[in-house]
Amino acid sequence: DQQVKQNSPSLSVQEGRISILNCDYTNSMFDYFLWYKKYPAEGPTFLISISSIKDKNEDGRFTVFLNKSAKHLSLHIVPSQPGDSAVYFCAATKGADGLTFGKGTHLIIQP
Amino acid sequence: KAGVTQTPRYLIKTRGQQVTLSCSPISGHRSVSWYQQTPGQGLQFLFEYFSETQRNKGNFPGRFSGRQFSNSRSEMNVSTLELGDSALYLCASSFRTGTGVDEQFFGPGTRLTVL
Repeated sequence: DQQVKQNSPSLSVQEGRISILNCDYTNSMFDYFLWYKKYPAEGPTFLISISSIKDKNEDGRFTVFLNKSAKHLSLHIVPSQPGDSAVYFCAATKGADGLTFGKGTHLIIQP
Repeated sequence: KAGVTQTPRYLIKTRGQQVTLSCSPISGHRSVSWYQQTPGQGLQFLFEYFSETQRNKGNFPGRFSGRQFSNSRSEMNVSTLELGDSALYLCASSFRTGTGVDEQFFGPGTRLTVL
C-alpha cells in the first residue's frame, strides 16, 4: 500500500504558465513533507519543504500548499521555465523515520 | 564542498551473486540513507545509518544490509541477487541535528542490472 501517491505520471505545461503538481498521502502521522526534483542520470535534489503545522511555504517561484484535512499537498511553480522540466517527487516523513516517496510526476515545460 | 559520491556508477551482476555499493557522504554529514528506485515502485527507503549505527530500516528483506564506517562512509550489500533487484540505488547524506528533518543531499546513484 502506497502511503504517498502522485496520481499524475506526467504533466505538460506551457512556458510562463503555472505548473501544479499534486500529492496525496494516507498516513496522518506524517509531520513533514518535501518536494524533490530529479534530472536524468542525477540524484534527486531538494526543492522545498513544509511542516505539518503550516499550510503554505514559499521560496521564490516555488510554493507548497498543505491541506491536512484532505491529506493533500501541492507544489506550484510560477512562472514555469524550460529548466523546470524534470521528474518531481513528493516525500513525507514522521519523526526520525526515513522518507516515504511518491512515484513521481514528469513535468514537461513546452516552449 | 564535494557532494555525495557513489561507486560504482554502473554494475552488472547475475542472479545469485552478491554486490557491494559504496557511498561517501558530504564532509561533516554523519547520517547516510539508502534508497532503491525502480520504475514500478518509485523511490523506497532501505535504511539509514548514523554514527556507525543503523537508525532506521525500511521494509526490505534481510538480503539487503549495510554498514557505516567511522569516517561516515557507508556500504550497502545485497546478497543472492534476484532479477527484481535491478534498480537505481541512491545514497543520501544529511547533517542531523536531532531537532527536526534535515535536508538530504543525494548522490548520482548506482545503476545495478541483474541478469
